[in-house]
Amino acid sequence: GGIITQTPKFLIGQEGQKLTLKCQQNFNHDTMYWYRQDSGKGLRLIYYSITENDLQKGDLSEGYDASREKKSSFSLTVTSAQKNEMAVFLCASRPGTSNYAEQFFGPGTRLTVL
Amino acid sequence: GDSVTQKQGQVTLSEDDFLFINCTYSTTTYPTLFWYVQYPGQGPQLLLKVTTANNKGISRGFEATYDKGTTSFHLQKASVQESDSAVYFCALDTNAYKVIFGKGTHLHVLP
Repeated sequence: GGIITQTPKFLIGQEGQKLTLKCQQNFNHDTMYWYRQDSGKGLRLIYYSITENDLQKGDLSEGYDASREKKSSFSLTVTSAQKNEMAVFLCASRPGTSNYAEQFFGPGTRLTVL
Repeated sequence: GDSVTQKQGQVTLSEDDFLFINCTYSTTTYPTLFWYVQYPGQGPQLLLKVTTANNKGISRGFEATYDKGTTSFHLQKASVQESDSAVYFCALDTNAYKVIFGKGTHLHVLP
């Protein structure tokens, strides 16, 4: 078995601030994902990475940067936090490109912008 | 483009009621379809998956059948328990790295 760790668990920021969220997995999975979860809107893909140093934009990439310097880690940066923004950011991983493979999710980082 | 539709945002049932959550999809490929469940304070976890090869998935009393004719993948359970209260997501995987999730259905089961 393995685990996905997301830090921090809670993140409180100020409007305009640059904020970084981190994700680590010990599954040795190739592909990693960042999703944003808002109430009533499901999971929306921000960035994904199919291997170390690869980055692919999802549908919601504007306002975010990502980095995959190691196979086991994937970080997400909110480039300028928006006032009153509240969301949960979920990191996930899965092996390779097989469409039979489930995604494994971390517990999430809960962002609040004051 | 590929899409998934879950119209039921919230479902409230009593224990031992029958559960039915609607999910329809649109794609030109032969997809693999998933149901994920998310409990409070946790990330989603796989509940069941179905491929074009096996057509039906069963797990923990839940079942879903892949119907290519109606492009549907509804989730059912004969008798829900309070512990089934969670958010359920239908998801479509077309083997293009990206997985498309529905908006989720929040299930409340009353004791």
